[in-house]
Amino acid sequence: QKEVEQDPGPLSVPEGAIVSLNCTYSNSAFQYFMWYRQYSRKGPELLMYTYSSGNKEDGRFTAQVDKSSKYISLFIRDSQPSDSATYLCAMSFTGGGNKLTFGTGTQLKVEL
Amino acid sequence: ETGVTQTPRHLVMGMTNKKSLKCEQHLGHNAMYWYKQSAKKPLELMFVYSLEERVENNSVPSRFSPECPNSSHLFLHLHTLQPEDSALYLCASSRPGAQETQYFGPGTRLLVL
Repeated sequence: QKEVEQDPGPLSVPEGAIVSLNCTYSNSAFQYFMWYRQYSRKGPELLMYTYSSGNKEDGRFTAQVDKSSKYISLFIRDSQPSDSATYLCAMSFTGGGNKLTFGTGTQLKVEL
Repeated sequence: ETGVTQTPRHLVMGMTNKKSLKCEQHLGHNAMYWYKQSAKKPLELMFVYSLEERVENNSVPSRFSPECPNSSHLFLHLHTLQPEDSALYLCASSRPGAQETQYFGPGTRLLVL
């Protein structure tokens, strides 16, 4: 079993839709949860960073962490074609060294 | 573009060649990372330098050799690579101990023939 599971997609939605991207994980020690966005031919860009359980909102983006279910989500409201990218979840914990454990990424396409 | 730059952006090399990848960060960070990104696989952490000292080496073959001459520069020296080493090589930086907020460069797309 992979430490972090993420559906690779591709996920195709119409412009304006609400997008839900998800990751599940097996290591209950994870405390820090990140979402990165990666455009084609670019490096990953940090979008959201959450510590422990709860929600965090930033503009059209909301990150949710449910540690009891070992499940994290990223919601994108009013999706735009410019949101088309691969979204990577990543996790780490204090005492885990300098390591981020990544999912494989979900490819999202927002169509006009 | 972020404050992390990588050169070259694309590289084609034969299995007997020696080449180096360069990374430079302009963010005032003191920790730097090399990752390998292959299709349909999670990012694989290769090396970590914190305050110019290597603190992690994730069982990477010796044909990959990192070098960190100062806190702003990181190199990955390549020699006698295999075709399966073809991938996107990403550099990242962060403040020491703040691995949860890493900033990535655009990567070097490497093809080994």
